[in-house]
Amino acid sequence: AQSVTQLDSQVPVFEEAPVELRCNYSSSVSVYLFWYVQYPNQGLQLLLKYLSGSTLVKGINGFEAEFNKSQTSFHLRKPSVHISDTAEYFCAVNNGGYQKVTFGTGTKLQVIP
Amino acid sequence: EADIYQTPRYLVIGTGKKITLECSQTMGHDKMYWYQQDPGMELHLIHYSYGVNSTEKGDLSSESTVSRIRTEHFPLTLESARPSHTSQYLCASSPPLSATEAFFGQGTRLTVV
Repeated sequence: AQSVTQLDSQVPVFEEAPVELRCNYSSSVSVYLFWYVQYPNQGLQLLLKYLSGSTLVKGINGFEAEFNKSQTSFHLRKPSVHISDTAEYFCAVNNGGYQKVTFGTGTKLQVIP
Repeated sequence: EADIYQTPRYLVIGTGKKITLECSQTMGHDKMYWYQQDPGMELHLIHYSYGVNSTEKGDLSSESTVSRIRTEHFPLTLESARPSHTSQYLCASSPPLSATEAFFGQGTRLTVV
């Protein structure tokens, strides 16, 4: 079975400050990990994904995430946030095959001017 | 660019009406999903399909039903809408037997009055 835990439901941060959104996963097999962003009244948009290879993954809008197998984590980071980054962020895991994509409960990022 | 479409984007309807939310994708994906999401809240999987003539209930019990007669089409139906069905409904799809991301539509915001 696979599962995802997002440790923070809300993260307020000042504009131009760095931010980290935390995600931990559990899986009995190889994992494939994703971060999505959702703006108000929109669907989810893929930010980045880890399938294999380098554990540091770069995505769109200046975000990056690091896969840490020993800590079963896939935290999302951005060195300097903008007002436009205010949104909800979802971490997701997929073991491949016939598994469904499993989402975390989401983290609301609020960027304060 | 993902090609998955949901109609309508917004729907306000009276109690007791029958409604169908449409979802279509042009990517040839076998897996399709319906999620229910209250504003600012987590995603709840209510239905998924592995392919034509395959539908299963998701993690959250729902009074809605789905059908999958064609690969590209995965409509969701509510036989008798109630105010408790007011929510956002997100459709997604992903390729079979591969560890890749799910692609999302823009969502349908349903309000039952």
